[in-house]
Amino acid sequence: GQQVMQIPQYQHVQEGEDFTTYCNSSTTLSNIQWYKQRPGGHPVFLIQLVKSGEVKKQKRLTFQFGEAKKNSSLHITATQTTDVGTYFCAGPGVAGGTSYGKLTFGQGTILTVHP
Amino acid sequence: EAQVTQNPRYLITVTGKKLTVTCSQNMNHEYMSWYRQDPGLGLRQIYYSMNVEVTDKGDVPEGYKVSRKEKRNFPLILESPSPNQTSLYFCASRLASSYNEQFFGPGTRLTVL
Repeated sequence: GQQVMQIPQYQHVQEGEDFTTYCNSSTTLSNIQWYKQRPGGHPVFLIQLVKSGEVKKQKRLTFQFGEAKKNSSLHITATQTTDVGTYFCAGPGVAGGTSYGKLTFGQGTILTVHP
Repeated sequence: EAQVTQNPRYLITVTGKKLTVTCSQNMNHEYMSWYRQDPGLGLRQIYYSMNVEVTDKGDVPEGYKVSRKEKRNFPLILESPSPNQTSLYFCASRLASSYNEQFFGPGTRLTVL
């Protein structure tokens, strides 16, 4: 079945440093979504990427979708303590296929920011 | 306020005692799903439902049942809970298409002794 791998599993940074997490799928994705989960909270949708090579920015966060639509990345510039949490990528099953309703999450990257 | 609610939020039970975790959404979403979250394993999908009376297995359905009799509700049933089902459970919903964001409930922390 579809697998979504995310690295690194943990990342500790000093406040002000940059952070990147990478997501790789075993299959081509129609879209990829990114979520953030604060400690003790639930996942919250950040963004969705649909087009090959797409790049989207949200303030200090930059999201990229690979040309082959099998990989993606999230980059945070100049981290702040409010960025602490777990970042997940998620990819859907193939449209029209038997797994269409599935959404496979990466294992997540736990980000710790030291002030 | 648009939201997904789950009950109970915390539950400690014993092996074999049937339990139900309720999930309700007020956004008229067609798609609902259950996930479990375990350290190092991320979120794994248990079951999902594309619409009323339409349910299908996710990646880890063993030991769980679901039903979707109404659009807004999607309960998760553990007929005979076992300790390996101790986990944090999230319900989520979205509009039908996979191009729509999912909204998650607050989570249910289940401990099976």
